[in-house]
Amino acid sequence: GEDVEQSLFLSVREGDSSVINCTYTDSSSTYLYWYKQEPGAGLQLLTYIFSNMDMKQDQRLTVLLNKKDKHLSLRIADTQTGDSAIYFCAEDSLSGGYNKLIFGAGTRLAVHP
Amino acid sequence: NAGVTQTPKFQVLKTGQSMTLQCAQDMNHEYMSWYRQDPGMGLRLIHYSVGAGITDQGEVPNGYNVSRSTTEDFPLRLLSAAPSQTSVYFCASTRAGGARGGHTDTQYFGPGTRLTVL
Repeated sequence: GEDVEQSLFLSVREGDSSVINCTYTDSSSTYLYWYKQEPGAGLQLLTYIFSNMDMKQDQRLTVLLNKKDKHLSLRIADTQTGDSAIYFCAEDSLSGGYNKLIFGAGTRLAVHP
Repeated sequence: NAGVTQTPKFQVLKTGQSMTLQCAQDMNHEYMSWYRQDPGMGLRLIHYSVGAGITDQGEVPNGYNVSRSTTEDFPLRLLSAAPSQTSVYFCASTRAGGARGGHTDTQYFGPGTRLTVL
């Protein structure tokens, strides 16, 4: 079945890089996503990567995809206190002819001075 | 655009009560879905709809009903609330929910409804 796994917590010092890891199971996923959830808010799409890409860079964010190992990572350079949030990895999964998103449990990123 | 709106923001129910969580979007999106978020479990899909008049079950549909009479609205009904339904509920919509190849529009999430069942 479909499953997405992430570690639950990550703590980093302000200015350092953060790396959040994720593994997924659906090898036929077309897109893989990173969502950010700030306290008391819904989820916002942070970035996504198409499954035939190895890397995608967007300002301070770098997404790495290892399709062979079904491993996805999100690197945040120069982490700021405003980056403190829960980060969800998600894969798309075709079921009944329609795309659905399968989410991981989320990684809580804490940034301390 | 207001995006995706949900009401109420908070709700406390007693076991056995019924209620409807409202969700509306003004982006003319075809695809709408309901998720519940529980600690350490991420988001789990309850029901989804690929257009007006069409709904289907997600991962955890038991105890919930949905209908989609218009493109804009996708209410979620709890028939007889149970403590296990204490959770945060998110509604989401996306333009492209169909066949593979078009998910870059992504899902827009509402702010959530925090439900407690006593």
